[in-house]
Amino acid sequence: SAVISQKPSRDICQRGTSLTIQCQVDSQVTMMFWYRQQPGQSLTLIATANQGSEATYESGFVIDKFPISRPNLTFSTLTVSNMSPEDSSIYLCSVEDSVGVDTQYFGPGTRLTVL
Amino acid sequence: AQKVTQAQTEISVVEKEDVTLDCVYETRDTTYYLFWYKQPPSGELVFLIRRNSFDEQNEISGRYSWNFQKSTSSFNFTITASQVVDSAVYFCALSLYSGAGSYQLTFGKGTKLSVIP
Repeated sequence: SAVISQKPSRDICQRGTSLTIQCQVDSQVTMMFWYRQQPGQSLTLIATANQGSEATYESGFVIDKFPISRPNLTFSTLTVSNMSPEDSSIYLCSVEDSVGVDTQYFGPGTRLTVL
Repeated sequence: AQKVTQAQTEISVVEKEDVTLDCVYETRDTTYYLFWYKQPPSGELVFLIRRNSFDEQNEISGRYSWNFQKSTSSFNFTITASQVVDSAVYFCALSLYSGAGSYQLTFGKGTKLSVIP
């Protein structure tokens, strides 16, 4: 399976600021996904990021709040903009290992605390 | 709409006991995939197993076993002779084709397993 890394692993941020989270994969993948896991909760899909096209956002998530970049087949970023304490969560990226294979593998996550 | 229910929020067992984590799913699709993931305190989500809707054969991997029953829409996970390292949150997930070559995962709320030495 693909090896996925995320930066930063954790951060503490002030209200009103923005944080960009990086996701790097050791092989080329078509689909990359960004999830949010609020404290004690399950995972919720934020958006799907394909290389060369705009990210597709799920209901309740908007591009202005969570802009995503996907410049190539091994890298993506998620920005959490104008943060509030409600944005405190673990943010995880995942990839489908191969086209048409539905298993998603996850990165180690970024623990974000907003004060 | 698809849904995954993990009715057990938290379970505590004493080391070496067997424990079963329940998962019930809902979907109208005939083709789907079921997953179990483990999330230890470090936060990383670890893939454990994938099962497609046409394969009801149960699977065993070491101390782990999975029981898939389409008749009851259940995909239960049993850990035999539990160990402290099994302490984690376990998520059951359902995957459906969402179009454009992509599958979408729907997660249950997770079951927190604590194995007491």
